[in-house]
Amino acid sequence: EAGVVQSPRYKIIEKKQPVAFWCNPISGHNTLYWYLQNLGQGPELLIRYENEEAVDDSQLPKDRFSAERLKGVDSTLKIQPAELGDSAVYLCASSLGHSGNTIYFGEGSWLTVV
Amino acid sequence: DQQVKQNSPSLSVQEGRISILNCDYTNSMFDYFLWYKKYPAEGPTFLISISSIKDKNEDGRFTVFLNKSAKHLSLHIVPSQPGDSAVYFCAASGGGGADGLTFGKGTHLIIQP
Repeated sequence: EAGVVQSPRYKIIEKKQPVAFWCNPISGHNTLYWYLQNLGQGPELLIRYENEEAVDDSQLPKDRFSAERLKGVDSTLKIQPAELGDSAVYLCASSLGHSGNTIYFGEGSWLTVV
Repeated sequence: DQQVKQNSPSLSVQEGRISILNCDYTNSMFDYFLWYKKYPAEGPTFLISISSIKDKNEDGRFTVFLNKSAKHLSLHIVPSQPGDSAVYFCAASGGGGADGLTFGKGTHLIIQP
């Protein structure tokens, strides 16, 4: 069974440019998460989807970040415009249901803003 | 305000010995706890979990202990092997209706030959 698939794995962009990350969750997983991980820190939740509905986006910086999961399967996270401080790893994860169910992570998209 | 704390940034253990990684939490609403292992340039991989109704869960060389009164959990790895060298994250869920996971900052475990 395929795990959580993310692309691109690595991205280097100049500040003020846009960037987008794509995620395909494990088949059948209705809950999808985007996490941000800074160096030396644990992952922090940006947004959680139940099917196509964003049920928790309280930590998503909405002035420059946006996300969508139109058909309740794969998802895209966008940053526009990117800032130097956005350099981090963007992790996508999925689970069956939510609280109390194991969350499985993708390998992450590593963003460097120069 | 960190709700999940891993106070040891790193831990060095000799191969074959027991590794004990500790984690403290402050939110009494957490009801499910997990440990993830992370190698460089990879995403976190699930290792073991425990529900708040239990105080111990064992899976092969890995055992997680939960002390609810102390709001403390620990991961025991015995015997430790070189492949166990990685960053270990403690995570918790169920905090008053907030789903998803709250992570600690991680502990870098180094297994010395």
